[in-house]
Amino acid sequence: GAGVSQSPSNKVTEKGKDVELRCDPISGHTALYWYRQSLGQGLEFLIYFQGNSAPDKSGLPSDRFSAERTGGSVSTLTIQRTQQEDSAVYLCASSLVLGAQGGYGYTFGSGTRLTVV
Amino acid sequence: GESVGLHLPTLSVQEGDNSIINCAYSNSASDYFIWYKQESGKGPQFIIDIRSNMDKRQGQRVTVLLNKTVKHLSLQIAATQPGDSAVYFCAENARGNQFYFGTGTSLTVIP
Repeated sequence: GAGVSQSPSNKVTEKGKDVELRCDPISGHTALYWYRQSLGQGLEFLIYFQGNSAPDKSGLPSDRFSAERTGGSVSTLTIQRTQQEDSAVYLCASSLVLGAQGGYGYTFGSGTRLTVV
Repeated sequence: GESVGLHLPTLSVQEGDNSIINCAYSNSASDYFIWYKQESGKGPQFIIDIRSNMDKRQGQRVTVLLNKTVKHLSLQIAATQPGDSAVYFCAENARGNQFYFGTGTSLTVIP
């Protein structure tokens, strides 16, 4: 597609339930990133995928968080047993080159606003 | 550890004036920086980038200045317009794989 697409745009879930957030990166972008943005905060790195390499999961806050990227394209971020502190906007970004250097930068989606009640 | 911070969380400017948004970074190994603009309800958008071998780069109405000595980055917006109202983030890259973002500065342009 023309941009990075995320779905759903909004998700309200009850505490303790599992949620899945989806990201469709720009076609051909080999790198895919997930970030979390809490209200009034910066972007917190969660996980990074690059081609067929093992993902960099160093930013995942707990083992309740996991992500996969199937076929080098679509990615799903799963949060199990959601907690209220998981409420945030979850942003996905993709880039053409590793580290987005060379002037490409990241292309971000509009995010999924997750509210845990 | 790495951190990217901003001196001012909010900034208000009159339409037509120039805006300067500042950013401090702590990792001297960071060699690539990007400024992003985030409008309400949208994801951050790339504005301009700069490598550590440069101290200034200009785009359309925007200029980024890098002072590696004091680890300081700034974004200058010329003739600020209402459409420039947004949150601006600087991001640093030191490992080649990911960027670290600061809290952001909220810019409000007063008509």
